[in-house]
Amino acid sequence: GEDVEQSLFLSVREGDSSVINCTYTDSSSTYLYWYKQEPGAGLQLLTYIFSNMDMKQDQRLTVLLNKKDKHLSLRIADTQTGDSAIYFCAESPYMDSNYQLIWGAGTKLIIKP
Amino acid sequence: ETGVTQSPTHLIKTRGQQVTLRCSSQSGHNTVSWYQQALGQGPQFIFQYYREEENGRGNFPPRFSGLQFPNYSSELNVNALELDDSALYLCASSSGLKNTGELFFGEGSRLTVL
Repeated sequence: GEDVEQSLFLSVREGDSSVINCTYTDSSSTYLYWYKQEPGAGLQLLTYIFSNMDMKQDQRLTVLLNKKDKHLSLRIADTQTGDSAIYFCAESPYMDSNYQLIWGAGTKLIIKP
Repeated sequence: ETGVTQSPTHLIKTRGQQVTLRCSSQSGHNTVSWYQQALGQGPQFIFQYYREEENGRGNFPPRFSGLQFPNYSSELNVNALELDDSALYLCASSSGLKNTGELFFGEGSRLTVL
């Protein structure tokens, strides 16, 4: 069956790196995504990675993809208080559309001063 | 460029009633997807509309129905409301079907069923 799994909470100190992990089940997924949800705000795409890539870096964000283990991670360097949010991992396993996403339950990132 | 807007932002209904949620897609987008997000969960795909036709449906019963209009705005209708329908309903717009899959979300309509 389709299932994307993430741990529910991650607590880090301000200035440290945060690493949020995700496992997915469908090896045919074309793209894998990280979305951010802040309180009272809509979901916002942070970054995505195409399935034939191993790594993607975008400023403070680094995405690592291990297709063999179906493991995706998001590293946020120099974590700031503004990074407090829920981070969702999602995959697009359907051939007909890249917009029918399967989502994890989200990881709440808590920043300690 | 106008973003995705949804209405109403909050509403309360009772079991058995019907509800209509509305979504205006981002300018230039012809695809609208609807998701249900229960408290503490990730979004669950309900269905998607592309150029006014339903293009894909998740594991939701037929009492969840939708429409897309010629201006690409969309409605989600839920009949015979149940307590478990209480959730945040998210609309997302995008362009085409086979691009990068980036979805642009509205802030959602929070439905409470009593």
